[in-house]
Amino acid sequence: DAGVIQSPRHEVTEMGQEVTLRCKPISGHDYLFWYRQTMMRGLELLIYFNNNVPIDDSGMPEDRFSAKMPNASFSTLKIQPSEPRDSAVYFCASSSRDQPYNEQFFGPGTRLTVL
Amino acid sequence: RKEVEQDPGPFNVPEGATVAFNCTYSNSASQSFFWYRQDCRKEPKLLMSVYSSGNEDGRFTAQLNRASQYISLLIRDSKLSDSATYLCVVEGGATNKLIFGTGTLLAVQP
Repeated sequence: DAGVIQSPRHEVTEMGQEVTLRCKPISGHDYLFWYRQTMMRGLELLIYFNNNVPIDDSGMPEDRFSAKMPNASFSTLKIQPSEPRDSAVYFCASSSRDQPYNEQFFGPGTRLTVL
Repeated sequence: RKEVEQDPGPFNVPEGATVAFNCTYSNSASQSFFWYRQDCRKEPKLLMSVYSSGNEDGRFTAQLNRASQYISLLIRDSKLSDSATYLCVVEGGATNKLIFGTGTLLAVQP
């Protein structure tokens, strides 16, 4: 079974550039989560979707960040314009109400470096 | 106050040792609790859920104290392969959100 797929795995960009991170959740999962992880702040929830609808975006740091889920098998997280403080590992995770413990399955992450 | 607080460690222990991690949470409405494990430069993965009555999975024992809003994880007979960061996780009230602690780093030494 394919797990959560994220691309790219690594991204190095310059300040001011647009960055788009992509995620394909596990087939059949109805929840999708975007997290950001840094040494200082740990793993922070940015936004999550249920059945492609954004439910809670209170963790999105500012207007430079946006996320979409046009269908059940694809989501994007966009940063425009990017800043050095956005450097972090961005994880996408998916889950299903049918899973025991509502277990969240994480993708391998995208390591973003903004110079 | 952070919603989930953990001692960041690192905990450096010899193989075979018993080690315990603690975690406190602030939302008394939280109903579900978990420990996730994260290996270096990898994604977090569910280790075990935490039940009010306490639960055990092999060498791992998890306990919950709702009155004190406190969760613990005990690892017996530590193995080198247990070296990882252990994340305390609390489901955020009535939502499906998980709130992650910043993690406790465990290094098991040969």
